Amino acid sequence: AQSVAQPEDQVNVAEGNPLTVKCTYSVSGNPYLFWYVQYPNRGLQFLLKYITGDNLVKGSYGFEAEFNKSQTSFHLKKPSALVSDSALYFCAVRAVYNFNKFYFGSGTKLNVKP
Amino acid sequence: GAVVSQHPSRVICKSGTSVKIECRSLDFQATTMFWYRQFPKQSLMLMATSNEGSKATYEQGVEKDKFLINHASLTLSTLTVTSAHPEDSSFYICSARTPTSGGGNEQFFGPGTRLTVL
Repeated sequence: AQSVAQPEDQVNVAEGNPLTVKCTYSVSGNPYLFWYVQYPNRGLQFLLKYITGDNLVKGSYGFEAEFNKSQTSFHLKKPSALVSDSALYFCAVRAVYNFNKFYFGSGTKLNVKP
Repeated sequence: GAVVSQHPSRVICKSGTSVKIECRSLDFQATTMFWYRQFPKQSLMLMATSNEGSKATYEQGVEKDKFLINHASLTLSTLTVTSAHPEDSSFYICSARTPTSGGGNEQFFGPGTRLTVL
């Protein structure tokens, strides 16, 4: 079965500091992994994805994520957080047997304080 | 990136009425669209996969007679919540996948529809 876990409900970081939002996955076969961000009362916006290749993936708004196969992790990172980064972040994995089916984590609320 | 719109963004209705939510892909043709439901402070739950020209595929536990899906064209899918009840109140989000091949294509999400049933 495919699944993702986001162990932290909330992450607090000061503006200008680096941030990490954690995600671990469980999937049979090669994973297709995604990060999305959701602002209040809005749909999800795509940030980045890992399909194959370089383990460090760069995405929108200065975010990046590192794929670690041995630790089955795909943590989202940013070197310097902005207050405007405050939002809800979802990690997702695409089902191996169904290209259309995404499994989303429970979400992590990122709070960046000035 | 591809743009997906939803209408209405917010709807309040009385218990027992039906509500239709539209999902449109604005700058691409979407043979497949998806309907999710999101409860407060929770993740997205896939309700059904909407295929243009054929019946929708519903996830286990989702009542197909309750949540009617019609994918009438390559740019429009509708979700009708029939005989809505307060427990149907939720945030409904649609998404679409671009029709290029391969499994690595991200889904593009609409802005969501907040349904409140009184």
